[in-house]
This record gives sequence, structure tokens and C-alpha cells, in this order.
Amino acid sequence: EAQVTQNPRYLITVTGKKLTVTCSQNMNHEYMSWYRQDPGLGLRQIYYSMNVEVTDKGDVPEGYKVSRKEKRNFPLILESPSPNQTSLYFCASISPTDTQYFGPGTRLTVL
Amino acid sequence: QQQVKQSPQSLIVQKGGISIINCAYENTAFDYFPWYQQFPGKGPALLIAIRPDVSEKKEGRFTISFNKSAKQFSLHIMDSQPGDSATYFCAARGNFGNEKLTFGTGTRLTIIP
Repeated sequence: EAQVTQNPRYLITVTGKKLTVTCSQNMNHEYMSWYRQDPGLGLRQIYYSMNVEVTDKGDVPEGYKVSRKEKRNFPLILESPSPNQTSLYFCASISPTDTQYFGPGTRLTVL
Repeated sequence: QQQVKQSPQSLIVQKGGISIINCAYENTAFDYFPWYQQFPGKGPALLIAIRPDVSEKKEGRFTISFNKSAKQFSLHIMDSQPGDSATYFCAARGNFGNEKLTFGTGTRLTIIP
């Protein structure tokens, strides 16, 4: 079954404590992307990756890092989380026909 | 800067009725316009999409109408059912090399019996 998995699904942490949200896809897609979803703002792109070792900033990259060492994995790293990063995060894997397959989401709360 | 404006924010429709959600965009470089459906606790899933070379696309009860000159597109759900209750996002993508979707702010649709 084609899918995008994210872990953890829920996370409560404190300001400044580094965390990583993992994302993995089994569709062999080259493009992957991270979005955050906030009420009234829709989904906004954080970072994207066109292939292994190729990443670039989206619209709201401040405070985030990513890496793409393998095609299937695209982790999102928050080196020093702050309360304004409390949000719902989605990883997406993009097919050659433009369909974006979203993961189930990670709800992050930073206290 | 919001490049895709979506309305209404919420919509209540009776079962069997027609649900209509509208979006307007600003960037004429957009070349792909999908609609995503999101149920509570789930990620968005592609519902239907259109490219600007056609004015309408229909898949079952779902239709996208596209007006290139007005830079508007809309989703019509015919014979709306309670199972259609979800949040709907319009989006647009340009040929910028980053596969970024610019999303509207979402419409929460509720179908009442």
C-alpha cells in the first residue's frame, strides 16, 4: 500500500529542546515536502526536497532544518523549538503526475 | 501575501443539495489547480484537479469550474452527502521547480440530514 508515515503523531515538548519528526514514503518519489497547518492560514510549505541531498527553503523555513540522506526519508528538525512552532505538521510525497500524498500529521505543542 | 483566496470559511448544506466553494488566485504563472479534502485527524487527500487548458472537469459528484480570465476556480459537490462533511482546500501550483502548493485557507463543509 502506497503511504507516507510520520512519527510521532503527537508531541508535547518544552522550549529549546531539540526534536525530530520523521517522515518516510514507500512510493520511490523524488519530491518530498513539509508543510505546517495553522487555523485560518491553510497549509504553508516549510522545506522541500527534489532528490537525495537536494533541499531548499519554502515559505516559512525559519527555525527548521531538514535532511535527505535517503530517498524514502525526509526528517524535519527543530533545533530549538519555540511556542510559535506549535502547529500541525504534514509531510508530503509528490508523484510525477503532481499528486501530493500527505502523511497523517504530527501535532506539536511547544510549551 | 496570500496568493489564493478561498471562500466561504464555513458552509452548511442540506443533504442532496449543491455545495459550492470558490477560490481566486493572483499569480498567472500557476498551472495546476487541485482540491484537497481533509477529514478530522487525517492528512489532506487529493480530490480532483484541473489544468488551465480546460474550463471544467467532472469526476462523479465533484466538478471543478475554471475561469482563466477571471483567475477563479470553484468546486461543486452535487447531491451532497453527510460523508462529504470535511474541510476542503483549494490550491495552486506554478512551474517554479519546487512543487510547492499554495493553499487557500480552507472551507469547513457540513452536510446536514
